[in-house]
Amino acid sequence: GQNIDQPTEMTATEGAIVQINCTYQTSGFNGLFWYQQHAGEAPTFLSYNVLDGLEEKGRFSSFLSRSKGYSYLLLKELQMKDSASYLCAVRDSNYQLIWGAGTKLIIKP
Amino acid sequence: IAGITQAPTSQILAAGRRMTLRCTQDMRHNAMYWYRQDLGLGLRLIHYSNTAGTTGKGEVPDGYSVSRANTDDFPLTLASAVPSQTSVYFCASSGTSEDTQYFGPGTRLTVL
Repeated sequence: GQNIDQPTEMTATEGAIVQINCTYQTSGFNGLFWYQQHAGEAPTFLSYNVLDGLEEKGRFSSFLSRSKGYSYLLLKELQMKDSASYLCAVRDSNYQLIWGAGTKLIIKP
Repeated sequence: IAGITQAPTSQILAAGRRMTLRCTQDMRHNAMYWYRQDLGLGLRLIHYSNTAGTTGKGEVPDGYSVSRANTDDFPLTLASAVPSQTSVYFCASSGTSEDTQYFGPGTRLTVL
């Protein structure tokens, strides 16, 4: 079967750095996505990785290791507005997205 | 407008009733999707359409139907609603099936 695993919840302090991990087992691999979802709102696109390595976009970075079936999202200089759920999704061999259940990130002052 | 709109925003429905959730995009995207999101579970694909005139079944299609008469609209119909269809429904679109998906604001549906 296809499976995406990520921690249910994480807590971090404003101004700090947090790393959210995602491991996956899917039928084929055509890219990995990270989305942010604030409570009661729609998911919004953050990043896309298809090759191994680090993609940096401002305060957010995403890393991929295809051989390990592993990705992480790194958030730097945390702000209160970063309190949200972070969703990991893998595009499989049929070009469908398989989604993790999401990681709820709580930021404390 | 720019993006994806969904209607209604929320709805309470009696079991057994028929309901159509509407989704419209103005980005001229070829591919559109319907997902449901339930607490503790990842987004699950209900139906998709890679281009106008074609549709396909996702992971959880039972009890739902879709049509894609044109590029912009992708309605989702529950023929006879059941309580297990209580969920938040998101419509999404992408340029093609190989592109990033963008989401509408969602419809919160409660079936009693």
